[in-house]
Amino acid sequence: AQRVTQPEKLLSVFKGAPVELKCNYSYSGSPELFWYVQYSRQRLQLLLRHISRESIKGFTADLNKGETSFHLKKPFAQEEDSAMYYCALRGSGNTPLVFGKGTRLSVIA
Amino acid sequence: EAQVTQNPRYLITVTGKKLTVTCSQNMNHEYMSWYRQDPGLGLRQIYYSMNVEVTDKGDVPEGYKVSRKEKRNFPLILESPSPNQTSLYFCASSPTSLAGASYEQYFGPGTRLTVT
Repeated sequence: AQRVTQPEKLLSVFKGAPVELKCNYSYSGSPELFWYVQYSRQRLQLLLRHISRESIKGFTADLNKGETSFHLKKPFAQEEDSAMYYCALRGSGNTPLVFGKGTRLSVIA
Repeated sequence: EAQVTQNPRYLITVTGKKLTVTCSQNMNHEYMSWYRQDPGLGLRQIYYSMNVEVTDKGDVPEGYKVSRKEKRNFPLILESPSPNQTSLYFCASSPTSLAGASYEQYFGPGTRLTVT
């Protein structure tokens, strides 16, 4: 079974401090991992996906198959990063996307 | 503009009064899905559809129905709403996966439903 765990419901950091939002997954095959973000009163939108190995808005995430993790990182948090972040996994084939419960990031000025 | 739309955006209703939340996408996506978002529980999938006339239960299908008669539309039906269905509902769509491809799921703006 596919499962995504985000252990922190809420993460508060000061502006300029490093941020790491944790995501661990459970899947026996090769997963596709994503991070979605939801800013206040807005719809969810894709932030980044592991297959692209990209950096979006200063955020990066590396898939660690040994630790089954896909943590989201940013070296210097900004106030505009305050949002709800969801880690998501898709297994092989046309399987539905499975979301974690989300972590609310609050960046304090 | 490529988008997923939902109607209504806000709805307050009473227990037992049937309602339908519409979802429409203009991107010719095969896959569509409904989620509910509740504090502390994150996003939970209600139903999904891989293509026209193909629907499957998600994690929390009880009390909901869906239909997929056309590719662009995926309405969510609550035959007899109850207060525990008070939630924020999101519709989403995406292309189906091709070998080696990684695709994005596009979300609608959400429908906030209150059942009294």
